[in-house]
Amino acid sequence: EVQLLESGGGLVQPGGSLRLSCAASGFTFSSCAMSWVRQAPGKGLEWVSTIGGGGDATDYADSVKGRFTISRDNSKNTLYLQMNSLRAEDTAVYYCAKIVTADDTGYWGQGTLVTVSS
Amino acid sequence: QPVLTQSSSASASLGSSVKLTCTLSSRHRGYIIAWHQQQPGKAPRNLMKLEGSGSYNRGSGVPDRFSGSSSGADRYLTISNLQSEDEADYYCETWDSNTRVFGGGTKVTVL
Repeated sequence: EVQLLESGGGLVQPGGSLRLSCAASGFTFSSCAMSWVRQAPGKGLEWVSTIGGGGDATDYADSVKGRFTISRDNSKNTLYLQMNSLRAEDTAVYYCAKIVTADDTGYWGQGTLVTVSS
Repeated sequence: QPVLTQSSSASASLGSSVKLTCTLSSRHRGYIIAWHQQQPGKAPRNLMKLEGSGSYNRGSGVPDRFSGSSSGADRYLTISNLQSEDEADYYCETWDSNTRVFGGGTKVTVL
């Protein structure tokens, strides 16, 4: 059974930093590209970032480029999102996702809430 | 990059069917999409991936009441025998290399 368990969310002041983690199990983690997707309160889903299975290929939404860094440790089956220079508009539930591809369906974690406020 | 357009809301009676539409930007009309369901207060769940040919693969544990079809740039999700637990937000998603794009979502109300 595929499981994705996010952690690391919380309250942070504007300009601060936070690192999210996502522990994966139930599939061959190193073979799968992974994404972070966020959802602001009362809003729709917004893609944040994707990383290839080997960790080499990454991409970011314009809204977070230069501030957020996605990475992974395939030896620990864990995905990360380092978030710097946080803004109020980054307040959202952040979901880890095993992405849908042409060859496979996807899975979502339960999400972790990040609140940026003074 | 691709753009996905969804109507904001839909409604249908318990036990009936509802068909949701996700429209790809014309330049990306052949793209594969995914449909996701998000019940109130819960994380999203992948329902299926859907090709431009109309071929689809449901996610793990997804009932066969959920089906997909395609026509040109339009991708459809049909929910048959509508149940109360189907009241949710439904999002389509596509991708171009490592860039992912979501539609704005359709809120389905079960009457």
